[in-house]
Amino acid sequence: QQPVQSPQAVILREGEDAVINCSSSKALYSVHWYRQKHGEAPVFLMILLKGGEQKGHEKISASFNEKKQQSSLYLTASQLSYSGTYFCGSGGYQKVTFGIGTKLQVIP
Amino acid sequence: DVKVTQSSRYLVKRTGEKVFLECVQDMDHENMFWYRQDPGLGLRLIYFSYDVKMKEKGDIPEGYSVSREKKERFSLILESASTNQTSMYLCASWTGTSLSYEQYFGPGTRLTVT
Repeated sequence: QQPVQSPQAVILREGEDAVINCSSSKALYSVHWYRQKHGEAPVFLMILLKGGEQKGHEKISASFNEKKQQSSLYLTASQLSYSGTYFCGSGGYQKVTFGIGTKLQVIP
Repeated sequence: DVKVTQSSRYLVKRTGEKVFLECVQDMDHENMFWYRQDPGLGLRLIYFSYDVKMKEKGDIPEGYSVSREKKERFSLILESASTNQTSMYLCASWTGTSLSYEQYFGPGTRLTVT
């Protein structure tokens, strides 16, 4: 069962903040976050484990609510380079199921 | 800085052909994966391997097989290619402990089956 991401798309001006949500109907052992730019491979941002959270890159952080089976990705003071599609992946360490993605566009 | 490479960026094959997609990683990672990516469906796991000669089915293994004879190489095989296997194929490898975790994707192979 794919995790559900929201919003499906968002447009930001440089410097604005954004939140991308990921929820699952199944129990989560870990949540993975990735960014994919057009025509490129996905890039791993971070993993959040049960009982903790891990900050990955720059001004991008995430939270993990195990009870609600939800995770949120926070992008603060967005930069043009943040544009891309953000995916969450849920499940165990190996068999990760991905959401369809959230398209984020940062404009000047 | 090469980490995960895939044998081809673009591939065009005919229906019924046997197709080999190769993936090589230079990071000594135990785990390797094959995904396909389709618009509106996202990334879907085909097979993964957590050790040499070990393999596990992902969510959509039908029509595919894999081979991992060496730690650094993971091959995806389309036994008899069909048009519904036209897709972007992505290989990934990862390693992780409770303290650190790293994962890298290859550049992808865009396969067209005609």
